[in-house]
Amino acid sequence: AQTVTQSQPEMSVQEAETVTLSCTYDTSESNYYLFWYKQPPSRQMILVIRQEAYKQQNATENRFSVNFQKAAKSFSLKISDSQLGDTAMYFCALTTRDDKIIFGKGTRLHILP
Amino acid sequence: GAVVSQHPSWVICKSGTSVKIECRSLDFQATTMFWYRQFPKQSLMLMATSNEGSKATYEQGVEKDKFLINHASLTLSTLTVTSAHPEDSSFYICSARNRVFGQPQHFGDGTRLSIL
Repeated sequence: AQTVTQSQPEMSVQEAETVTLSCTYDTSESNYYLFWYKQPPSRQMILVIRQEAYKQQNATENRFSVNFQKAAKSFSLKISDSQLGDTAMYFCALTTRDDKIIFGKGTRLHILP
Repeated sequence: GAVVSQHPSWVICKSGTSVKIECRSLDFQATTMFWYRQFPKQSLMLMATSNEGSKATYEQGVEKDKFLINHASLTLSTLTVTSAHPEDSSFYICSARNRVFGQPQHFGDGTRLSIL
């Protein structure tokens, strides 16, 4: 069975600080993709970043970067220079060839002014 | 970028009514669409996978007769909540992706369903 675990239900940081959200996963598949999605209060699901399992290089999108440790099955998200608009629920997700996305339970992130 | 339109965004109706929610991929073809249910402050729970031209695949514990899914074309999937009751009140989200493995799913904006 495939699982995604986010161990931090809630976090708060000051604006402009850097914050790291943790995610671990488990799969027996060799070919898979990992994602971080953001869900602000509007409840839209917004793709933040995507990582291909066979690529060793960590994905980066502007202020968002990941630390992908394949052997440890860890996929953390780092948000640099955090902004008030980053306040949201963040979901780590895994997809394999069966096409389903497995979501973690989410981390609620509060950026404080 | 890929756009998925979900309609309606909010619906309130009386108990016993059937409600249809539409999910459209506007600028790409989606052979597969997914329907999720989300309770407040919780993660998305996959209800079913909608396959164009064939029957939907439901997750364990989801009532097929309660949640009817139709995927008649490559750009449209519908979820009908039949004879809705207050316990069906929830936030429903659809997603779609194109045919290429590893492409991210693109989500609709969700439908808030309230059954009185």
